[in-house]
Amino acid sequence: DAKTTQPNSMESNEEEPVHLPCNHSTISGTDYIHWYRQLPSQGPEYVIHGLTSNVNNRMASLAIAEDRKSSTLILHRATLRDAAVYYCILRDAYGGATNKLIFGTGTLLAVQP
Amino acid sequence: KAGVTQTPRYLIKTRGQQVTLSCSPISGHRSVSWYQQTPGQGLQFLFEYFSETQRNKGNFPGRFSGRQFSNSRSEMNVSTLELGDSALYLCASSLGGELGNYEQYFGPGTRLTVT
Repeated sequence: DAKTTQPNSMESNEEEPVHLPCNHSTISGTDYIHWYRQLPSQGPEYVIHGLTSNVNNRMASLAIAEDRKSSTLILHRATLRDAAVYYCILRDAYGGATNKLIFGTGTLLAVQP
Repeated sequence: KAGVTQTPRYLIKTRGQQVTLSCSPISGHRSVSWYQQTPGQGLQFLFEYFSETQRNKGNFPGRFSGRQFSNSRSEMNVSTLELGDSALYLCASSLGGELGNYEQYFGPGTRLTVT
């Protein structure tokens, strides 16, 4: 499985945008980029995913580099509730019938009031 | 829709005992996966069930087992508990399907402490 690299931690101020980077230099053409986050004392929750084009949903935006070797999760206005560990995960669209997720160490996002 | 529920939420067991954890997926979801989360190893995949069949398994000893019932509810069992089995056990459900790759919905987890 292709590997992702994320910074261990980041800090942001409330109501400011946050850009969480992820490097995946060995990504294959059929790998989707998924993001999950885990709030304190909760299970992970799905945030967003994409293949090649930038994606937006109510929670965040995903910007994917043209060569797909990196991506950035964008929280447009951070709130205290966004403080969590953010995981960037690659999933092969043709990896067979499985929903297995391989989690790395993620990025711990701290949001200051 | 109700989310993924896991019972019990907290459990304390003694070394050598066995334990069974339960997971009820979101209605209509046929895939249930289990993960172990520890401070040292992070989130690790245990196994996945789809339509009552195990279709993927992580790198855990045979003491860890699971099953899925016809209503998609799942249980996992750990026999001969060791101190290192203390962890948060998370269950995730998804629509599943032939190609997989669906978003997963996680439960709150069961916190197991082995003394």
